[in-house]
Amino acid sequence: DQQVKQNSPSLSVQEGRISILNCDYTNSMFDYFLWYKKYPAEGPTFLISISSIKDKNEDGRFTVFLNKSAKHLSLHIVPSQPGDSAVYFCAASYGAGSYQLTFGKGTKLSVIP
Amino acid sequence: KAGVTQTPRYLIKTRGQQVTLSCSPISGHRSVSWYQQTPGQGLQFLFEYFSETQRNKGNFPGRFSGRQFSNSRSEMNVSTLELGDSALYLCASSLDSQETQYFGPGTRLLVL
Repeated sequence: DQQVKQNSPSLSVQEGRISILNCDYTNSMFDYFLWYKKYPAEGPTFLISISSIKDKNEDGRFTVFLNKSAKHLSLHIVPSQPGDSAVYFCAASYGAGSYQLTFGKGTKLSVIP
Repeated sequence: KAGVTQTPRYLIKTRGQQVTLSCSPISGHRSVSWYQQTPGQGLQFLFEYFSETQRNKGNFPGRFSGRQFSNSRSEMNVSTLELGDSALYLCASSLDSQETQYFGPGTRLLVL
């Protein structure tokens, strides 16, 4: 039973365009969501997070949107750069002091120069 | 500030052996979590330690165990290794009051 789903295993985008990565979740108890980026042979790197009390959070080129009613979140990268090419993981947690992250299986983003 | 470090980076073992992996968290971080990454299952939570106590545990058999020392460093042990234990084992640390976890580079374990 996959509680966090990233339905697109891969995505290709032209440099300079917008990349949109999607994530769906089934557990309504999740109240904190994160995006991580992972390069081969490295651990995941934290990108951006959002609490369930918000519907948008921005950090530079990265914006995360949360639609609680649809149990859906998305990561927008504008403009996309070749260095953004990596696997992106969506993760979720719930409960105060809960440090157990539930991850999606990742979306491989390729930014084409 | 130094990041999360994990040793060793690569390890080859045979079935039936046991293995111990080490993780040093970011200075000041008191929570350490362990994850297993495999191609089929993705990233799965193993357990989390805080102040030398296990606070959360994922759905893994008892062959997987861990501990945390007073300096917050953590070790993970897998006994009676199986072929399916071949994976990337990731450690992450966080401050107690925050939920953002910062990951180390991982230990790649190959069981033959």
